[in-house]
Amino acid sequence: GIQVEQSPPDLILQEGANSTLRCNFSDSVNNLQWFHQNPWGQLINLFYIPSGTKQNGRLSATTVATERYSLLYISSSQTTDSGVYFCAVEGVGGYNKLIFGAGTRLAVHP
Amino acid sequence: DVKVTQSSRYLVKRTGEKVFLECVQDMDHENMFWYRQDPGLGLRLIYFSYDVKMKEKGDIPEGYSVSREKKERFSLILESASTNQTSMYLCASSLRGRNYGYTFGSGTRLTVV
Repeated sequence: GIQVEQSPPDLILQEGANSTLRCNFSDSVNNLQWFHQNPWGQLINLFYIPSGTKQNGRLSATTVATERYSLLYISSSQTTDSGVYFCAVEGVGGYNKLIFGAGTRLAVHP
Repeated sequence: DVKVTQSSRYLVKRTGEKVFLECVQDMDHENMFWYRQDPGLGLRLIYFSYDVKMKEKGDIPEGYSVSREKKERFSLILESASTNQTSMYLCASSLRGRNYGYTFGSGTRLTVV
């Protein structure tokens, strides 16, 4: 099946710093989503982005489907950005089911 | 506020017990999913359902079964709980064909002793 790799696995930032999280996937996809899991375990959808670029406040994401990767940018990080960021993809003909990467654990210190 | 509700936040069960994890959504979503989350492995799909009484195996279905008798409810069953099933279990739902509508419950942390 389709493989999803995220890097880096762990990231520590000072408040105000910028960061880039990467997601590589092994095959063509119908769907790619980025999620944030807060320290209490709740997963929140950040972006639906099978291709192109989207922005939402301090967060933006870019997916280059032809090269099979996606990037999540966090600018001016805040302590509330801490948690785990997951990339998830649906392969072609995938019944709407998402395959998740292992995640990037982000800690933002004041 | 629309949501996915999981019946228990924390659960402790004994080896060999039959365990039921319940998930209810109030968004009239066709698709429902059960994942387990383990450190370093991300979320792995156990089972999913795209309609009432329909179910499909995910990547790690062994030791689990599911039930979907009503559209809003999707149950995960551990037939005979084992210690390697200690994990965080997450339920999600989505509208068919609209994957950006994935909504997750808050999770059930199951410990099997």
